[in-house]
Amino acid sequence: KQEVTQIPAALSVPEGENLVLNCSFTDSAIYNLQWFRQDPGKGLTSLLLIQSSQREQTSGRLNASLDKSSGRSTLYIAASQPGDSATYLCAVHRGNYGGSQGNLIFGKGTKLSVKP
Amino acid sequence: KAGVTQTPRYLIKTRGQQVTLSCSPISGHRSVSWYQQTPGQGLQFLFEYFSETQRNKGNFPGRFSGRQFSNSRSEMNVSTLELGDSALYLCASSFVFRSSEGGYTFGSGTRLTVV
Repeated sequence: KQEVTQIPAALSVPEGENLVLNCSFTDSAIYNLQWFRQDPGKGLTSLLLIQSSQREQTSGRLNASLDKSSGRSTLYIAASQPGDSATYLCAVHRGNYGGSQGNLIFGKGTKLSVKP
Repeated sequence: KAGVTQTPRYLIKTRGQQVTLSCSPISGHRSVSWYQQTPGQGLQFLFEYFSETQRNKGNFPGRFSGRQFSNSRSEMNVSTLELGDSALYLCASSFVFRSSEGGYTFGSGTRLTVV
């Protein structure tokens, strides 16, 4: 059974700081890994998708890395802004395993608060 | 390009009633997945459909069911509602079932409140 863990569960930082969110998974046989953002009461917005053959992906101030062998991914946010305040979710795609967990396995998320 | 559309956005139902939620995937996407999100349990997988066939099912009671139509639109139904069914129900679409190179795209969700 694939398990995804995100640390920390919550994080509060002053505006302008660079920060790192962590995601770990127990089974390295993944197809890809996706980072999402969720604002309160809203759906999930995809931030970055890293294929299993890739090491990192970048979009604007966001950079996500993937180390399959160690079962880890990090999301780096540069120069944080109050608008970055949200819950960030990491999800691994297990390819065609499926089963009762489904193909996309989520962590519990990191709730980020950026103070002005 | 239109995103994933979920209707309705909000629902209030009484215990014992049934409810149907709808999801229209991105045009061309043939796989639709459903998730239940609650503060205590996080995101829990309900089921996944591809080409009108249920491919995977999560550990939910039989009161939860779904289907997918030939145009890839999907519906999920919850019968005999319980207070614990109050949650945000999210739908996601992807291009294909076994090779989600494009990742998953989520809708805005349906907030169901059971009173």
